Amino acid sequence: SAVISQKPSRDICQRGTSLTIQCQVDSQVTMMFWYRQQPGQSLTLIATANQGSEATYESGFVIDKFPISRPNLTFSTLTVSNMSPEDSSIYLCSVKGPEINTGELFFGEGSRLTVL
Amino acid sequence: AQSVAQPEDQVNVAEGNPLTVKCTYSVSGNPYLFWYVQYPNRGLQFLLKYITGDNLVKGSYGFEAEFNKSQTSFHLKKPSALVSDSALYFCAVRDRGEGGGNKLTFGTGTQLKVEL
Repeated sequence: SAVISQKPSRDICQRGTSLTIQCQVDSQVTMMFWYRQQPGQSLTLIATANQGSEATYESGFVIDKFPISRPNLTFSTLTVSNMSPEDSSIYLCSVKGPEINTGELFFGEGSRLTVL
Repeated sequence: AQSVAQPEDQVNVAEGNPLTVKCTYSVSGNPYLFWYVQYPNRGLQFLLKYITGDNLVKGSYGFEAEFNKSQTSFHLKKPSALVSDSALYFCAVRDRGEGGGNKLTFGTGTQLKVEL
């Protein structure tokens, strides 16, 4: 299984500011995924990040709010822009196992953001 | 569209007793099904998956799950619960019909509490 490191693990942010979350994987992967887990809720896919191309965003998520970078096959960043209290969530980076269609996802420990 | 339902927000079990965490799904084609566990302040850990074949799937930490196509269910089970099994459990589905796709849809989670 892949080892995924996320930074920061948690942060407290002021309304209107932006924060960038980093995700480092110990192996090269084609796709990386960013999920959001709002308090007491399930995981929702924000976007899929492919190296060398624009990220693909799910319905309800836009690039201006959640810009993503994918500079190489082991690293990605997610920025939460112009934060409001509603953005308080755990943000999780994940990658898929080696099987193309049947592979499970492996997750980082998550970044817990609290917006005041 | 694919969806997952976990009808129980919380399941309480005495240590040593069998446990069941329920999951039903809806997909347009045939599903790939997954169970994950989330311990406090941690990311998600993969437990097991159903791809094809035997309807009873065995996974990590003594957990197993039974795929029932007619009932569109994939309930998680363990013959003898441990206090250390107390955690948040998520069921997830990927629609095989979307070419394997990449989007994993999660249920709302079930909090399992195992008491002495």
